[in-house]
Amino acid sequence: GQQVMQIPQYQHVQEGEDFTTYCNSSTTLSNIQWYKQRPGGHPVFLIQLVKSGEVKKQKRLTFQFGEAKKNSSLHITATQTTDVGTYFCAGEVAGANSKLTFGKGITLSVRP
Amino acid sequence: GAGVSQSPSNKVTEKGKDVELRCDPISGHTALYWYRQSLGQGLEFLIYFQGNSAPDKSGLPSDRFSAERTGGSVSTLTIQRTQQEDSAVYLCASSRVGGDNEQFFGPGTRLTVL
Repeated sequence: GQQVMQIPQYQHVQEGEDFTTYCNSSTTLSNIQWYKQRPGGHPVFLIQLVKSGEVKKQKRLTFQFGEAKKNSSLHITATQTTDVGTYFCAGEVAGANSKLTFGKGITLSVRP
Repeated sequence: GAGVSQSPSNKVTEKGKDVELRCDPISGHTALYWYRQSLGQGLEFLIYFQGNSAPDKSGLPSDRFSAERTGGSVSTLTIQRTQQEDSAVYLCASSRVGGDNEQFFGPGTRLTVL
């Protein structure tokens, strides 16, 4: 079946450092989404990417969809303690009854 | 309500008892997912309902787990003969289908099996 992979599972950065994480799919995706889960909370939608090579920005967050639509990246510029949480990617495969498949997530901790 | 609601928010039960968890999705959302999340872990997919299609039950960990979605709206996840390893937060999410299919998650039900 379809797999969406996020490695590593944890990352620790110093406040002010940049952070990049990647999401890889075993199959071509029709779209990819990113979610953030704060400690003690539930996942909240951040963004959706649909087009090959698409880049979207939200303040200090930059999201990119690969040319082959099989991978995606999330880059955070100058991390802050408010960036702490778990970031999940989720991909949809065309023809899969619109089902979204989530990666395991990466938990980011930021040292002040 | 404006969001996905789940009840109860917390459930403590004894090993061997059955439990029912409820999810009220956002009105008009045809897709509904159940996930399980153990402490510090990722989202474990359990089951997916989409419109009138047969549910995707590929994530259910054993035949003790079942789910229904009545009238294309409310869903109930049932765990029979609960075990301690069933302890986790059970999250429900709903979405539209098509281009704008972001998932909206409920607050979850924290299940503790003693």
